[in-house]
Amino acid sequence: EVVMTQSPATLSVSPGERAILSCRASQSVSRNLAWFQQKPGQAPRLLIYGASTRATTIPARFSGSGSGTDFTLTISSLQSEDFAIYYCQQYNNWPPPYSFGQGTKLEI
Amino acid sequence: EVQLVESGGGLVQPGGSLRVSCAASGFTFSRYWMTWVRQAPGKGLEWVANIKQDGIEKYYVNSVKGRFTISRDNAKNSLYLQMNSLRAEDTAVYYCARNSPITETHGGLDYYYYYMDVWGKGTAVTVSS
Repeated sequence: EVVMTQSPATLSVSPGERAILSCRASQSVSRNLAWFQQKPGQAPRLLIYGASTRATTIPARFSGSGSGTDFTLTISSLQSEDFAIYYCQQYNNWPPPYSFGQGTKLEI
Repeated sequence: EVQLVESGGGLVQPGGSLRVSCAASGFTFSRYWMTWVRQAPGKGLEWVANIKQDGIEKYYVNSVKGRFTISRDNAKNSLYLQMNSLRAEDTAVYYCARNSPITETHGGLDYYYYYMDVWGKGTAVTVSS
């Protein structure tokens, strides 16, 4: 089973700053990686799939990069609504399960 | 509007059973793989099970194999998760999610990978005496 490790566990930043979140896979997942945002009491929301493709309606300040085992989610110029927990997830191996990272909490 | 709405959660005793449902609307349900994901209180996301469009091919995380059954009714645009022999550690919010495909071509062959693009709001299941 592929193990996904996110770092840091918590990232403290100020509005207007840039945030860089990392996700590492225990084996190559090619570019089959997604990023999700989750706010308290809400369902996860897809931000990025295919490692770097923004989902519909996702603002351009969110960008993803990486392939193989190392991936990054960058949020440029943080807005107040961006403070949330972010999860990466691989969907590369067959058969499933498709593992998630443990999450990075982005806080002010 | 594309929408998934879960229902059927509640309080159940250890060893008991519960079936949660997910009603789909706004898209052609029968064309998509579907997935259940859960989240224990204060914890991260855990992939639970998925099911192919025809309802025949199914996969489960090890911790629920033999206890949970995923199924679907394409005529009713509905996804189900039958949960038996429930344990305290099954306490979680259960989300259903639609899976959309990405195609990659290698050596002249097409390979399909599925990411979860639409999620419901979830239904809470509590296993406690």
